[in-house]
Amino acid sequence: DAGVTQSPTHLIKTRGQQVTLRCSPKSGHDTVSWYQQALGQGPQFIFQYYEEEERQRGNFPDRFSGHQFPNYSSELNVNALLLGDSALYLCASSLLGSDQPQHFGDGTRLSIL
Amino acid sequence: QKEVEQDPGPLSVPEGAIVSLNCTYSNSAFQYFMWYRQYSRKGPELLMYTYSSGNKEDGRFTAQVDKSSKYISLFIRDSQPSDSATYLCATYGSSNTGKLIFGQGTTLQVKP
Repeated sequence: DAGVTQSPTHLIKTRGQQVTLRCSPKSGHDTVSWYQQALGQGPQFIFQYYEEEERQRGNFPDRFSGHQFPNYSSELNVNALLLGDSALYLCASSLLGSDQPQHFGDGTRLSIL
Repeated sequence: QKEVEQDPGPLSVPEGAIVSLNCTYSNSAFQYFMWYRQYSRKGPELLMYTYSSGNKEDGRFTAQVDKSSKYISLFIRDSQPSDSATYLCATYGSSNTGKLIFGQGTTLQVKP
């Protein structure tokens, strides 16, 4: 049973560029959430997608956008990259509902030069 | 005040010790609580998932929720060097939300 998979594992970009990160949810899951984890900190919620719609959003600027596809996979896009966007970006999948645990992938480490 | 607070450690214990990891949370309406383990350069791995108050046991791990004091704990019995990792507590916060709120994480080192 494949878990949550993310690609790429590591990415290096320069300020002002744009980046797209990808996520495939665990088999049977229909909901995808994205988190940003800075070094030494807990993950911070970016947004959640269900039925191809953004269901909930955290305190992140509009430079962060996403998409969910009919097969439940998802993308996170970040425009106009800043040095402060350097972090581990985590994707989590679950069934919809706040009584459902979220399962995480190993993340994409984004470095901004 | 942060919604979930966790002592970042680091915490160092000898192999075989009982480990106690703790978090406090701010809102008595929080109901669902999770513990995740995160190894270096890996994503968080779900260890325990509990609802409301009480204890839940899974092998060497016990999760405890005390809603009266807004305190959650994870106990690890017979700790092993392979338990060395960062432990994150998390809660869903209010109902009908997909947003997990995490503590900062506690780094644990179990020495052989």
